[in-house]
Amino acid sequence: AQTVTQSQPEMSVQEAETVTLSCTYDTSESDYYLFWYKQPPSRQMILVIRQEAYKQQNATENRFSVNFQKAAKSFSLKISDSQLGDAAMYFCAYRVTQGGSEKLVFGKGTKLTVNP
Amino acid sequence: EPEVTQTPSHQVTQMGQEVILRCVPISNHLYFYWYRQILGQKVEFLVSFYNNEISEKSEIFDDQFSVERPDGSNFTLKIRSTKLEDSAMYFCASSTRLAVQETQYFGPGTRLLVL
Repeated sequence: AQTVTQSQPEMSVQEAETVTLSCTYDTSESDYYLFWYKQPPSRQMILVIRQEAYKQQNATENRFSVNFQKAAKSFSLKISDSQLGDAAMYFCAYRVTQGGSEKLVFGKGTKLTVNP
Repeated sequence: EPEVTQTPSHQVTQMGQEVILRCVPISNHLYFYWYRQILGQKVEFLVSFYNNEISEKSEIFDDQFSVERPDGSNFTLKIRSTKLEDSAMYFCASSTRLAVQETQYFGPGTRLLVL
């Protein structure tokens, strides 16, 4: 079964600094997608970034970028120039595609605190 | 920008009561999902729905749960007889089609409290 592991329950960063959140996953598939979702205190799930497994180039979205290491099954999120609004729970997720299934498998999340 | 909406935002119910959680997916989306998140825990898949039928369900989604798309726009999750352990945040999500690259867009969630 696919699993997603986020080994950092909590992280903190100073405003304007850079922070990296780690995520590893386990799968036997060769083609899949990985996602980072942000959940602020409002608890809405907001897509931050996604990565296609067949692409070697790391995805970037403004201040957010990923370090995708397919052989190591690692998918870390880097937040540059951290802002107070980045404070949230961050969930790493993997897209399962067995027999037409589209379910997302989530990690347990990392709580990010941004200090002014 | 189109978004998934959910109602109500909060619901409090007594154990044993039926609840219906409502979702309006993005209008051109064809695939719909329910997830739940018990407080302090990770988000868990409940069910996926396409072409008016369930395409997959998790072990959590037992006979007490049902989903339907009654009118072509709403997508509902019914819990027939709520239990204390059903207290959670319930998220609806939708995507345009069944493909690896399609992103699931989440609604703001319904916070259900069973007393």
